[in-house]
Amino acid sequence: KAGVTQTPRYLIKTRGQQVTLSCSPISGHRSVSWYQQTPGQGLQFLFEYFSETQRNKGNFPGRFSGRQFSNSRSEMNVSTLELGDSALYLCASSLPGAGALGYTFGSGTRLTVV
Amino acid sequence: QQQVKQSPQSLIVQKGGISIINCAYENTAFDYFPWYQQFPGKGPALLIAIRPDVSEKKEGRFTISFNKSAKQFSLHIMDSQPGDSATYFCAASPWNTGNQFYFGTGTSLTVIP
Repeated sequence: KAGVTQTPRYLIKTRGQQVTLSCSPISGHRSVSWYQQTPGQGLQFLFEYFSETQRNKGNFPGRFSGRQFSNSRSEMNVSTLELGDSALYLCASSLPGAGALGYTFGSGTRLTVV
Repeated sequence: QQQVKQSPQSLIVQKGGISIINCAYENTAFDYFPWYQQFPGKGPALLIAIRPDVSEKKEGRFTISFNKSAKQFSLHIMDSQPGDSATYFCAASPWNTGNQFYFGTGTSLTVIP
């Protein structure tokens, strides 16, 4: 079966711009989580969506937002980009209650802010 | 604040040797501890996971050792192979609060032939 698909794979944006990243989960997975990965910080949890509702939120500023559609696809948006937002953004999908056993990551979107 | 502390940051091991990566946590609500393996250009993939009701779990060459009283857990890779060269992340989660995982900062493992 197809894995978690993230688009685009690479993105270069200028400070102050906004960006939207997309994640298509594995078919049947209704939970989608987003993480920011940076060297030295590891993976930092952004938020989780389940059935179009944000279920958990990490400690990130309000410039980071997300949403989930009825087909479980999810988008995350970062407004007013800062240099420090340069990172690999990963999404993971899972069946509800599956925990890590069913937690499958996409290959990520590499965002560079210049 | 890093909820899961991981060490070492990088590790170089000879082929056939044992690779050991350590993690520590403080939050006693954590009760699920997975390890992830990440190759360049790929997302992390689940390697092995443990619940705190057991002290050790082994899957092939990979073993998790868990010390609940010390709030520490470690990954041992026996007979390390060049194909094991990757970045390894430990993580922790409260089992029943959705899919929010707290990750360590990662260990870059290089296995020398």
